[in-house]
Amino acid sequence: QSALTQPPSASGSPGQSVTISCTGTSSDVGGYNFVSWYQQHPGKAPKVIMYAISKRPSGVPDRFSGSKSGNTASLTVSGLQAEDEADYYCSSYAGSNNYVFGTGTKVTVL
Amino acid sequence: EVQLVESGGGLVQPGGSLRLSCSASGFTFNNFALHWVRQAPGKGLEYVSAISYDGSSTYYADSVKGRFTISRDNSKNTLYLQLSSLGAEDTAVYYCVKDHSASYFDYWGQGTLVTVSS
Repeated sequence: QSALTQPPSASGSPGQSVTISCTGTSSDVGGYNFVSWYQQHPGKAPKVIMYAISKRPSGVPDRFSGSKSGNTASLTVSGLQAEDEADYYCSSYAGSNNYVFGTGTKVTVL
Repeated sequence: EVQLVESGGGLVQPGGSLRLSCSASGFTFNNFALHWVRQAPGKGLEYVSAISYDGSSTYYADSVKGRFTISRDNSKNTLYLQLSSLGAEDTAVYYCVKDHSASYFDYWGQGTLVTVSS
């Protein structure tokens, strides 16, 4: 199972928006609506910020939104804030109790 | 409050073995599947293994199949991962992760570092 493809980096100024793509195949992203996104600050464990493509867990700001088209999912962070600077990983169910993660994107707030 | 606390990591020689534990609290342990996810230093997340709520079903990534064994003791609210035939490529922080209805990972432990080196 190959990792989902994400851009290595993304950046934006405070208040701007940034969108991160997550490209897989019809066997994972395209085949299921179980795409989730995780935010990881340095030295910390990942934290879920989006699940089922576009649902936000309680406590996650509505500045975060998700979508999916075909084999590509996307996470958009609107109104960037300093605390959004982190690594972001997508994940998808891939069938037969298997999950796959994305390659990760480092978001920098300029 | 859900808590997942991993232990058992450390330095091990190539070819060696190690058992990781994850002590859980704050939720009904025997109602949820659990997972292990690892992260090599400076690298991304890698899905390693999963076990069903009752332990009857397990899954392993190809990279660890035949070398790692996942298990759970629902009477002790504890998840395990037995690592054997370890190589340098297994050096990573290993996270214990709780499943949310088979759709995403809702709680993560703080991780335990396994270093394979001579």
